[in-house]
Amino acid sequence: AQKITQTQPGMFVQEKEAVTLDCTYDTSDPSYGLFWYKQPSSGEMIFLIYQGSYDQQNATEGRYSLNFQKARKSANLVISASQLGDSAMYFCAMRDTQGTASKLTFGTGTRLQVTL
Amino acid sequence: DTAVSQTPKYLVTQMGNDKSIKCEQNLGHDTMYWYKQDSKKFLKIMFSYNNKELIINETVPNRFSPKSPDKAHLNLHINSLELGDSAVYFCASSQDLEDPGANVLTFGAGSRLTVL
Repeated sequence: AQKITQTQPGMFVQEKEAVTLDCTYDTSDPSYGLFWYKQPSSGEMIFLIYQGSYDQQNATEGRYSLNFQKARKSANLVISASQLGDSAMYFCAMRDTQGTASKLTFGTGTRLQVTL
Repeated sequence: DTAVSQTPKYLVTQMGNDKSIKCEQNLGHDTMYWYKQDSKKFLKIMFSYNNKELIINETVPNRFSPKSPDKAHLNLHINSLELGDSAVYFCASSQDLEDPGANVLTFGAGSRLTVL
């Protein structure tokens, strides 16, 4: 069974600094996808970044990058140059590749607070 | 222009009532989902439909009945509502890619259900 672990319930970061949100996963599937979503206080779920298990390079999307360490089964999200608008809940998620029955399993989330 | 729209956004009702939440996506996606987010922000999949066919049915009480009249719509009907059903319910959709692990979920804005 898949498992996603986010050990940081809450994090603080100063504006303009970088922050790393931790995520570890466990799966027996050789092929899988890793995702990060942002949920601001308004409640919507916003897709940020995706990493495939066979991707050789770490994924990047603007100020977001995914530090993928396959041997350690970790997929940490790095946010560079934090902004006040980055304050939100961040969810790590994993999807296996078992055909159309694959599902996205979420971690418990990390609440990030960006301070002045 | 909303990609995944859910109605209603807020629903307050008494225990024992029956209620429905509607979801529509205009992205042309093949698969739709219902997720439940509890008071601790934990997101858990409930159901998934692919081209109107139920493909994932997690351990959900049979008071919850999804219905997909076509691949653009997935409604959730809940009978005999209980206090523990209070949560935010998210509808989502995804396109079937060659690599199912890469399927990104696009979420609706969520429907907050409060059972009194």
